[in-house]
Amino acid sequence: ETGVTQTPRHLVMGMTNKKSLKCEQHLGHNAMYWYKQSAKKPLELMFVYSLEERVENNSVPSRFSPECPNSSHLFLHLHTLQPEDSALYLCASSQDSDYNDEQFFGPGTRLTVL
Amino acid sequence: GDSVTQMEGPVTLSEEAFLTINCTYTATGYPSLFWYVQYPGEGLQLLLKATKADDKGSNKGFEATYRKETTSFHLEKGSVQVSDSAVYFCALWMDSSYKLIFGSGTRLLVRP
Repeated sequence: ETGVTQTPRHLVMGMTNKKSLKCEQHLGHNAMYWYKQSAKKPLELMFVYSLEERVENNSVPSRFSPECPNSSHLFLHLHTLQPEDSALYLCASSQDSDYNDEQFFGPGTRLTVL
Repeated sequence: GDSVTQMEGPVTLSEEAFLTINCTYTATGYPSLFWYVQYPGEGLQLLLKATKADDKGSNKGFEATYRKETTSFHLEKGSVQVSDSAVYFCALWMDSSYKLIFGSGTRLLVRP
């Protein structure tokens, strides 16, 4: 596989469920990101990791919990979500987080919270 | 704070028509500017970028010029194709915040 991959591509969950989104990059990048894409709204940056350290937490509710075990993998753990959390969640990576490098995006996970 | 404003879509054009998608920005410094494109079912891809005033980014027939005086970075293409149908995102990067700030996206639909 090349580029940035995300699994699952689609997820339906109830408000009491716990699930995790997975992202993997095969580009040798040092920085990884989670974004939320909602209809007719700008992409919202959620979290930034650089060399496995979280460098940005953009006022995201605690029901979203990121994990970066190594520079190639990024997870987003979900629990007790709300229907308004339904959105496309995009993962991205770049060479570094502190320069205007191109960000490479995965195809996203379409999340529906019932 | 820093922000990006794009024209609302959808923009519907016939094949070979001229395309303009407007983008303006608000920033306290001198940002780098980007256009990303999202094809159906895929993630965003960088289309072009410009890092300083009067720079022109170009790729795949698309162009955008960094206009500091009008704080704009409008995307243009002289002759669109059906395969250009996608959502286009304007974005800015500020060295002071280390963040890529996106507009809300403009959907382009090109009909044969």
